Amino acid sequence: QVQVVESGGGLVKPGGSLRLSCAASGFTFSDYYMSWIRQAPGKGLEWLSYISGSGTTINYAVSVEGRFSISRDNAKNSLYLQMNSLRAEDTAVYYCARVGDTWPFDCWGQGTLVAVSS
Amino acid sequence: QSALTQPASVSGSPGQSITISCTGTSSDFGTYNYVSWYQQHLGKAPKLMIYSVGTRPSGVSNRFSGSKSGNTASLTISGLQAEDEADYYCSSYRTSDTLIFGGGTRLTVL
Repeated sequence: QVQVVESGGGLVKPGGSLRLSCAASGFTFSDYYMSWIRQAPGKGLEWLSYISGSGTTINYAVSVEGRFSISRDNAKNSLYLQMNSLRAEDTAVYYCARVGDTWPFDCWGQGTLVAVSS
Repeated sequence: QSALTQPASVSGSPGQSITISCTGTSSDFGTYNYVSWYQQHLGKAPKLMIYSVGTRPSGVSNRFSGSKSGNTASLTISGLQAEDEADYYCSSYRTSDTLIFGGGTRLTVL
């Protein structure tokens, strides 16, 4: 069964850092682009970043470029999001998602909550 | 980057059909047919309902259909059921090699 499971969320102070992880199973991880998407409380979905199966192609939303870094370890079937210089407005549920051939997010995790507050 | 434009809310009675619009630009809908739609029930993760404008993933009811004309995409739900009450989001790939979501539409089944 195709599945992704996020972890690593929590409470962090403004200016702090956090690393999210996403464990994938049920598919050949290295064959797929993967992405991070977030949803602030009561707000809509915001795409953040994607990474190609080999890790050679990466792109970010303007809102997080320079502060967030996406990476993957295909040997461990894992996706990561390193988040630095966190701000209150980064408070959100962060989702990991598999990306299909024509750019649909076809498998989502349950999300992990990141709260940025002093 | 501005979100794709969706109505904040739509409503319909059981058995009726409703359509949710999603307006983009020449940088997304005008260039690509990479339009997807997602359903999100309260407190749950989003679920892919439509991709490539009008293709349903396996397991999604054929009451859900998608289309695109120019810079506007649409999701139509026919034979509305109580379980369809949820938030719906469109998304697209863009010429900047990024992705974008719509602001979301809350569907209420009366």
